[in-house]
Amino acid sequence: EDQVTQSPEALRLQEGESSSLNCSYTVSGLRGLFWYRQDPGKGPEFLFTLYSAGEEKEKERLKATLTKKESFLHITAPKPEDSATYLCAVGVNFGNEKLTFGTGTRLTIIP
Amino acid sequence: DGGITQSPKYLFRKEGQNVTLSCEQNLNHDAMYWYRQDPGQGLRLIYYSQIVNDFQKGDIAEGYSVSREKKESFPLTVTSAQKNPTAFYLCASSKTSKDTQYFGPGTRLTVL
Repeated sequence: EDQVTQSPEALRLQEGESSSLNCSYTVSGLRGLFWYRQDPGKGPEFLFTLYSAGEEKEKERLKATLTKKESFLHITAPKPEDSATYLCAVGVNFGNEKLTFGTGTRLTIIP
Repeated sequence: DGGITQSPKYLFRKEGQNVTLSCEQNLNHDAMYWYRQDPGQGLRLIYYSQIVNDFQKGDIAEGYSVSREKKESFPLTVTSAQKNPTAFYLCASSKTSKDTQYFGPGTRLTVL
């Protein structure tokens, strides 16, 4: 059974304090790993797709990396507007078109 | 603007009533999805459709029904058979079923 585990569940950082969020996964045949940001009461907003181990992608203060067992979302010098829940999801190959989501990391940046 | 719209934003239903949630997209995407989000749980797939006039059950389809008569629209009906329907419902679409999924703003359903 495909599994996605995100840690920590919640993280509080001071503004400017860099850190990383973790997404570990167990799947058979990774098609892609997806990161989303979700604000309270809103739909998830797409951030990144990673397809193979060693791949990295960046957007503003966020950088996503992928290994064969986990992905990290690094946040550098965060600002209060980066506060949100960050969701990780994996898709698998060979006819299984659904995504398996983790439960998310709730990130709070304190001014 | 291209995007996904869901309506209504909030919906209240009495026990025993069926209710239909709307999802429309103008992204020209072939695939559409319905997810349910509950506190402390990951998003769970209810139904998905890879093409018009075709759809498949997801992990938690019991008590729900869908139709896909038009490429742009994928309405979800929550029937009285769904035992615990209070949740946040999210619609998503993707160019094909293997591409990145983009989400709508969601509908919060509360059963009174």
